[in-house]
Amino acid sequence: QVQLQESGPGLVKPSETLSLTCTVSGGSISGYYWSWIRQSPGRGLEWIGYIFYSGSTNYNPSLRSRVTVSVETSKNQFSLNLTSVTTADTAVYYCARSHSTTLLFVSWGQGILVTVSS
Amino acid sequence: DIQMTQSPSSVSASVGDRVTITCRASQGISSWLAWYQQKPGKAPNLLIYSASSLQSGVPSRFSGSGSGTAFTLTIISLQPEDFATYYCQQGKSFPSTFGGGTKVEIK
Repeated sequence: QVQLQESGPGLVKPSETLSLTCTVSGGSISGYYWSWIRQSPGRGLEWIGYIFYSGSTNYNPSLRSRVTVSVETSKNQFSLNLTSVTTADTAVYYCARSHSTTLLFVSWGQGILVTVSS
Repeated sequence: DIQMTQSPSSVSASVGDRVTITCRASQGISSWLAWYQQKPGKAPNLLIYSASSLQSGVPSRFSGSGSGTAFTLTIISLQPEDFATYYCQQGKSFPSTFGGGTKVEIK
C-alpha cells in the first residue's frame, strides 16, 4: 500500500518561500498525478496543484503566480514551492495521489502544519 | 471556479440515526462529485466517487446520489466511528474545489 509523507519547515517568515517535499513509499511515482492540497480554518480545503510523473503540471489559478511543483522520480519524491508567503498561507499542507485528472484523492499524506510568522 | 455549497454546516445525531448531507454546485458538474470523511488530526478519506460509487472498503451504510448541481450523502444507521466532518469535491473542471464541510456531532 502506497504511503505519502510530507516534510519541510513548520515555520516560514512572511515574504519567504515555503518549500515542502512529499516522499512516496510502497509504490512508484510513475503513472500517477501528485497533488498538493492545503487546509485552513479560513479557506477550508484548497487544491494547490498537481504534477504528472512525466513532469506536466496544472495549478490553481489563485496561486499560479507563486506556485511551482516539481518531481524527482529517481527519489520517488515531489515538491512544492510557494513564494512570497503571507499569514494567509498558514495551513496544514497535504500531498495526495490520484489516478487521473479528475483528481479523486485516494491516498493522502498525514499533513504538515506550516505557520507563516515572523 | 465552481463553488460547492454544503448544508447543513453541522448536524447533531444519535447512533442509529439516518443522516443526509446536501452539496450544491454553482454550475452543472454531471456526476463528477466525490465525498470525503475527515476525523480530527487526520487527512480526508475518500468515501464516494462519481456521485454514487462506493470506494472499496467503505461500509455500505454510506451512499451518494445526485447529478448536475444537487447531490446528497446519506448515512443510514449512524455508527460511533461516523462522527466526523464530511466534504464534497467536484472534479468536473479546474480548479477542483471542495465544499465547506458538514460536521456530524453526537447528540
